[in-house]
Amino acid sequence: AQSVTQPDIHITVSEGASLELRCNYSYGATPYLFWYVQSPGQGLQLLLKYFSGDTLVQGIKGFEAEFKRSQSSFNLRKPSVHWSDAAEYFCAVGPNTGTASKLTFGTGTRLQVTL
Amino acid sequence: DTGVSQDPRHKITKRGQNVTFRCDPISEHNRLYWYRQTLGQGPEFLTYFQNEAQLEKSRLLSDRFSAERPKGSFSTLEIQRTEQGDSAMYLCASSLGPVASAQGTQYFGPGTRLLVL
Repeated sequence: AQSVTQPDIHITVSEGASLELRCNYSYGATPYLFWYVQSPGQGLQLLLKYFSGDTLVQGIKGFEAEFKRSQSSFNLRKPSVHWSDAAEYFCAVGPNTGTASKLTFGTGTRLQVTL
Repeated sequence: DTGVSQDPRHKITKRGQNVTFRCDPISEHNRLYWYRQTLGQGPEFLTYFQNEAQLEKSRLLSDRFSAERPKGSFSTLEIQRTEQGDSAMYLCASSLGPVASAQGTQYFGPGTRLLVL
């Protein structure tokens, strides 16, 4: 069964500082991996996704993530955080075969940005 | 492209009452998903439709829950005899294809927040 672990429940960074949010997955093969962001009162917005190929994936809002098969990780990074990045971030894994469509999400990491 | 919409955005009900939520997917998307999100948790998959066919249901979807997508467009999620444990955010998403495809990105609506008193 597929699963996702986000070890950090809450992270606080200063505006302008770099950010790394951790995500570890469990899946029998190479999965499809996603990062979503959820702001208060908003739905989930896709930041980026990894299917195959280059293990460093660029997303929107200056975010990137790196797929590391050996560590079963897909960590999200941003070189310089803006106050507007404060939100909850979810890593998700999906099946890489057939017509299956279920996404499995982690419990999320809440990002607080201090000025 | 107006995105995925959900109605209502908020619902307060008393235990034992029935509630129904509606989701309108992005117009050309043939796949529609329901997820439930409780406080401090990530979204949990409930069910999904391809066109009007309900193809997968989670064990979380007890017999008090029923979902329909009668014409392959909008969908409804009904909860009968609500319980306090049903209090959660109910999220709807849609996509053009399965996860394992270039069109598999799931686009989420703003959710319906349910509070059962």
